[in-house]
This record gives sequence, C-alpha cells and structure tokens, in this order.
Amino acid sequence: QKEVEQDPGPLSVPEGAIVSLNCTYSNSAFQYFMWYRQYSRKGPELLMYTYSSGNKEDGRFTAQVDKSSKYISLFIRDSQPSDSATYLCAMTAGGGNKLTFGTGTQLKVEL
Amino acid sequence: GAVVSQHPSRVICKSGTSVKIECRSLDFQATTMFWYRQFPKQSLMLMATSNEGSKATYEQGVEKDKFLINHASLTLSTLTVTSAHPEDSSFYICSARESGSNYEQYFGPGTRLTVT
Repeated sequence: QKEVEQDPGPLSVPEGAIVSLNCTYSNSAFQYFMWYRQYSRKGPELLMYTYSSGNKEDGRFTAQVDKSSKYISLFIRDSQPSDSATYLCAMTAGGGNKLTFGTGTQLKVEL
Repeated sequence: GAVVSQHPSRVICKSGTSVKIECRSLDFQATTMFWYRQFPKQSLMLMATSNEGSKATYEQGVEKDKFLINHASLTLSTLTVTSAHPEDSSFYICSARESGSNYEQYFGPGTRLTVT
C-alpha cells in the first residue's frame, strides 16, 4: 500500500463547476500538507499549504485537512479551462523530512 | 518570490556522453535542494537530496556514480548524468527549500533529457 493514495483521473468537468480533489494517507506523522499544480511539461507550482487539520482558503481554492480520517481535499470553485492541469498532493512530517507525493489527478475543465 | 530556474530546459545527447543540469534559486537561499525524475503521466520520483557543502543523499535504487550531484553554494545545485543511455531519457525536475523552512519546496521548470 502506498503512503499517499490519489485517484489519477482523468477528471473532466464543465466550466464553472466545483471541483473536488482528494488524497488519503497512512502515515500519522504527516503534519504539513500541500497541493501543487503541474501543467504539461512544466515543473509543479505550489498552490496551497496547510499545517495540521483545518481549512485554508485562497481565492477560488480551498484546502481541507482531516487528520483524524487521514484525508485531504482541494476544492476549486468556478473552475476555468486554465485550471486544466495535473494536481499533486504532497505531505511531510516536517523537520526537514522529504515530501511524499500522490500520483496526481489529471483535471480537464471544458468549455 | 521563490523562483527556481533550471538550465537547460531541453537537451538531446548521444549515448555514452555526460550531461549537466543546473538548478538555481534566484531570490532566496536554499540549504537543501532536491532532484526528481518524472516519467510521462507519473508522479515525481525523488532521486536525491542535496545539502549545501555536503554529499548528497540518494534514494534507494538510484546510482550515485551515474547521477552526480553537487551543491556548491546556497543558490546552485547541479545534476550530472554520466555515460547517458536511452533509458535515462526523462523529465528531470529540481526543487529548493528555503533555508529555515521546514517543508515548502519550490520547483524548477524541469529539464527534458533525450538520449539518442
């Protein structure tokens, strides 16, 4: 079993839809949770990061962490075609430990 | 802020030659840099962790003599693929963690290596 599980998709939604992306994990030591967006043939771009459980909002993006369920989510409101990309969750226990990535979910927002 | 550059963005080389890829943090100091490899439609595979002024730590299964990493300054790390073969063709991405940060990593744009 992988430490971090993420549905690879592809996920196809119409423009304007609310998108929900999720990851589950097994390591209870993880404290820091991140979402990266990666366009084709580009490096990942840090979108959101959250420490421990709770919600964080930034514009159209909301990140949620539920440590009791070992489940994290990224919500995208009013999705746009420019949101079409692969979204990677990543997490770490901190203290200089390496990031553990999910496999990424490919999202396509259609006109 | 937090910009990481990579050079070159794309390189084609012949089998048996060596290729050097540079990773620079442009507006911050990075004590630690990471090198990843990514195959098409797959996630990032960590190859090694590079700490300024010390030897890199390689992940299991990664040949340290084939993938030479040097982190000579707080803003520059290099990855040299020695005696490259077609199976080394891949997308190589570096990331940098700002000195003093516990977790945030900022990624470069990646280098597409093709070995013919």
